[in-house]
Amino acid sequence: ETGVTQTPRHLVMGMTNKKSLKCEQHLGHNAMYWYKQSAKKPLELMFVYNFKEQTENNSVPSRFSPECPNSSHLFLHLHTLQPEDSALYLCASSPATALSGNTIYFGEGSWLTVV
Amino acid sequence: GENVEQHPSTLSVQEGDSAVIKCTYSDSASNYFPWYKQELGKRPQLIIDIRSNVGEKKDQRIAVTLNKTAKHFSLHITETQPEDSAVYFCAASSQGGSEKLVFGKGMKLTVNP
Repeated sequence: ETGVTQTPRHLVMGMTNKKSLKCEQHLGHNAMYWYKQSAKKPLELMFVYNFKEQTENNSVPSRFSPECPNSSHLFLHLHTLQPEDSALYLCASSPATALSGNTIYFGEGSWLTVV
Repeated sequence: GENVEQHPSTLSVQEGDSAVIKCTYSDSASNYFPWYKQELGKRPQLIIDIRSNVGEKKDQRIAVTLNKTAKHFSLHITETQPEDSAVYFCAASSQGGSEKLVFGKGMKLTVNP
């Protein structure tokens, strides 16, 4: 149904682990985003990539490392996370053109639990 | 930067009643205002949006109004149904380029049968 797919859907990791979240969009969009959703901050923007270039880093700790190899793929590399990083991580994409505006389309999200 | 406030945070209505969700924004340059619905365990999905060149937009049972002078916009749902139960997010941004959407904190709507 969705043009934005995320894997894995669920991830449990220890604080010393290294893991990655993957996102792929099939909509031909130019911009991709990572959002964090938790009870405290329902939709918190983390990173924005526009034409593969990072245009926004919303003061995210360095234990989160994004990678955008092309306009269709986005990764979030995770290392030495804390339990408070447990949340739903949503990937999104948008056309990001002057005509299309900023309508963004979300993936189903990756539920992350840090133990 | 833009700041979007949304209220109330929760709303409970009886099936068939109307529901109104209100948002305010701070940046007068914002000109694009989408609304997203997130059902339990699912992703947020766009349900309606409005641009600053119009004051009202309607799509079946949902409508959005925009008051640029007061910098507030509202979502109206008429004849509510249990399947309308969800969290609703408003957002604001400047249109075009890679300007980011700023979301409100969301409102949980419960429609009781």
